[in-house]
Amino acid sequence: NAGVTQTPKFRVLKTGQSMTLLCAQDMNHEYMYWYRQDPGMGLRLIHYSVGEGTTAKGEVPDGYNVSRLKKQNFLLGLESAAPSQTSVYFCASSYSDRNTEAFFGQGTRLTVV
Amino acid sequence: SQQGEEDPQALSIQEGENATMNCSYKTSINNLQWYRQNSGRGLVHLILIRSNEREKHSGRLRVTLDTSKKSSSLLITASRAADTASYFCATSPFGYQKVTFGIGTKLQVIP
Repeated sequence: NAGVTQTPKFRVLKTGQSMTLLCAQDMNHEYMYWYRQDPGMGLRLIHYSVGEGTTAKGEVPDGYNVSRLKKQNFLLGLESAAPSQTSVYFCASSYSDRNTEAFFGQGTRLTVV
Repeated sequence: SQQGEEDPQALSIQEGENATMNCSYKTSINNLQWYRQNSGRGLVHLILIRSNEREKHSGRLRVTLDTSKKSSSLLITASRAADTASYFCATSPFGYQKVTFGIGTKLQVIP
């Protein structure tokens, strides 16, 4: 049981480049989340999804887009990377939003130069 | 802004001592969860306490919840070096379909 898998684990981008982070879960969870973690800021929610084909904005959505075409996958896209997007990105999933734990991936460390 | 705020932000104790971390939040919640994050890794769920519960135990962990004060505490008894990690509280407010995290408490247990 792989749980939540994030791809890639590390990436260096130049300013203006684009990329997609992939999150895959094999637990048949309805809810999926993308967070970014910065020193002194904790985890901040970027976007989330409550089911296949749905997405919603979180706390810091600007500069990111997401898609949930399949229930098991949640993609996070950066169309034009900026140095301010240098961060560690975590994907998580949960069965529901009520009284259930979230399962996290191992993170993607992204550096934008 | 963060819903939960942990206190202290950093804590250093000797192995065998107890560690207490606190979390305060602002709005009514459905439940509150505690997570652990080892350096460079993803978060791991520790315990969930519902809004109608006051105390919960799991092994060496004890969590309390005071909804009147909008606060929770996590107690780790008989700490071990392996408990060295950051600990986050996460709240699930009523009516919101997302969980928000605090900044975390960085715990160092010295062997």
